[in-house]
Amino acid sequence: AQSVAQPEDQVNVAEGNPLTVKCTYSVSGNPYLFWYVQYPNRGLQFLLKYITGDNLVKGSYGFEAEFNKSQTSFHLKKPSALVSDSALYFCAVRVPANQAGTALIFGKGTTLSVSS
Amino acid sequence: SQTIHQWPATLVQPVGSPLSLECTVEGTSNPNLYWYRQAAGRGLQLLFYSVGIGQISSEVPQNLSASRPQDRQFILSSKKLLLSDSGFYLCAWSELTGRPTDTQYFGPGTRLTVL
Repeated sequence: AQSVAQPEDQVNVAEGNPLTVKCTYSVSGNPYLFWYVQYPNRGLQFLLKYITGDNLVKGSYGFEAEFNKSQTSFHLKKPSALVSDSALYFCAVRVPANQAGTALIFGKGTTLSVSS
Repeated sequence: SQTIHQWPATLVQPVGSPLSLECTVEGTSNPNLYWYRQAAGRGLQLLFYSVGIGQISSEVPQNLSASRPQDRQFILSSKKLLLSDSGFYLCAWSELTGRPTDTQYFGPGTRLTVL
């Protein structure tokens, strides 16, 4: 079965320090991976996605993610965290089939807290 | 540009009452539409998706239903709400291209509390 795991419920970093939010996946075939961010009582905002090609994907707000096929991981990173980055982050995977209605499979989410 | 609207933003309903949540998308045609639920402290769960008017697929059996009366309108309904229906309901859309790489874009959500 397809699945996504975010092993950390919460990540705490100091402002200005690099941050990493971890994600691992289990799918058959090549995966298509996504990161979303959710601020309190708001919808999800798309950050970035991996389709194919370069393993380092750059996205919105200075975020980037590194795809590692051998480790089945897609960790979200940012070189210098901001207090405003504090939010709930979701990793998601979509199966590589021609299924227009197939939805994303989401991880449980990781709360990022950036302290000043 | 495309925008997605949901209303109401918040809703408090008694157990056993009906429900109707609405989602509309602007700036695109023939989108795929999705309803997700986010329970407190948990991830997102797909409830329904639609690839066209009148075409609804259900992912999880429950007392909820969905309808798509117009191309860019998606409605989530219930005849009798349960306590377990409380949660944050999110609508999303994506281009109807059939590509698994298509991005889903989410609405602002509706916070439903069933008392």
